[in-house]
Amino acid sequence: SQTIHQWPATLVQPVGSPLSLECTVEGTSNPNLYWYRQAAGRGLQLLFYSVGIGQISSEVPQNLSASRPQDRQFILSSKKLLLSDSGFYLCALGRYNSPLHFGNGTRLTVT
Amino acid sequence: GESVGLHLPTLSVQEGDNSIINCAYSNSASDYFIWYKQESGKGPQFIIDIRSNMDKRQGQRVTVLLNKTVKHLSLQIAATQPGDSAVYFCAESPPPNTGTASKLTFGTGTRLQVTL
Repeated sequence: SQTIHQWPATLVQPVGSPLSLECTVEGTSNPNLYWYRQAAGRGLQLLFYSVGIGQISSEVPQNLSASRPQDRQFILSSKKLLLSDSGFYLCALGRYNSPLHFGNGTRLTVT
Repeated sequence: GESVGLHLPTLSVQEGDNSIINCAYSNSASDYFIWYKQESGKGPQFIIDIRSNMDKRQGQRVTVLLNKTVKHLSLQIAATQPGDSAVYFCAESPPPNTGTASKLTFGTGTRLQVTL
């Protein structure tokens, strides 16, 4: 079965510091991978998706970037965090016309 | 958890009663719809889905109804249990212009509270 690993589970970072969140998946090959962000009390917003190694599509202009160095690895990064980057970051895998499966997320607090 | 919020609509039901959670979607081109359950501090968990060529689909204790005319989706939970307490999200997806990537758009969510 497909498994999504995200770490760390929680992270507190100061404004201006860099960020690297990692997502790895098991039990599948050549998956479509996604990064979503959830602000408190809100739904999920799609940030990036990737259909293959080195292929990144950005949905929302922002302070973040994504990379896919390996087939089952998806990384979310920032060079300098803003307060508004705080949120719950979720990695997902799946394709159109089937449900996306989500990891358990990373809660990021920027102070 | 991250699904907790001050402004989420809340539905309170007694254990054993049926629950109905409603959702209005926005994109008339959407042809695939999903309901997710999110517990505090966890990622969303798939409950049930429906395609636009159907207006009703049933699972174990859950039923999804789709009304494309008014762009409305509902989730019915039979015999609600304490373990059903969570935030519920609907999500919609239009067909991609190209490729297989999914572009799910999520609603803001409804908190379900089950009282004993």
